[in-house]
Amino acid sequence: SYELTQPPSVSVSPGQTARITCSGDALPKTYAYWYQQKSGQAPVLVIYEDNKRPSGIPERFSGSSSGTMATLTISGAQVEDEADYYCYSTDSSDNYRVFGGGTKLTVL
Amino acid sequence: QVQLQQWGAGLLKPSETLSLTCAVYVGSFSGYSWSWIRQPPGKGLEWIGEVNHSGSADYNPSLKSRVTISVDTSKNQFSLKLNSVTAADTAVYYCARGPQDMGVAFDIWGQGTMVTVSS
Repeated sequence: SYELTQPPSVSVSPGQTARITCSGDALPKTYAYWYQQKSGQAPVLVIYEDNKRPSGIPERFSGSSSGTMATLTISGAQVEDEADYYCYSTDSSDNYRVFGGGTKLTVL
Repeated sequence: QVQLQQWGAGLLKPSETLSLTCAVYVGSFSGYSWSWIRQPPGKGLEWIGEVNHSGSADYNPSLKSRVTISVDTSKNQFSLKLNSVTAADTAVYYCARGPQDMGVAFDIWGQGTMVTVSS
């Protein structure tokens, strides 16, 4: 099997930069994807292929990856960014497609 | 605007078969992969498997022995069947679209269906 590890929670004040990490052994060879999920709603894709932003996603969302860690950065976090964030990726053979355990972002 | 509308039985008994269908409205069916993802109450997301427009499927190894994902291109629909369900299969089930030019991303999601397994 394959696992992605995220911190359970991150907390920032409005306007600060929030960084959520995701670690996995295959990340040097595979892409990371990030999803935002607000309470009671379906997830929304915010970053794909490490650092690409889908249309309609605010510029304050960015992604990066280095070695075995991928990072989602929210520059100038807003109250409406409070949500659970999940990273997603595959193992190097594409045998396993897994989500990280999720990180609850609090902005207050 | 592309929409995914999903439906299926919401309450099952142990050992029964879970069956869900997802319809694609307003948009092409070919050129994408179509996935099922689930989320137990209060827990994280789990990829179940995917199918492409030609019917070729790929599954999560942990569920492979119990899962079948199929496609009906004439109706722009794809379906999930999960055999021999137990309480551990209780979850919100989502269908989702995977564009070929976005790696393994899911860019459009269905509204989710809560499935409860209880005797």
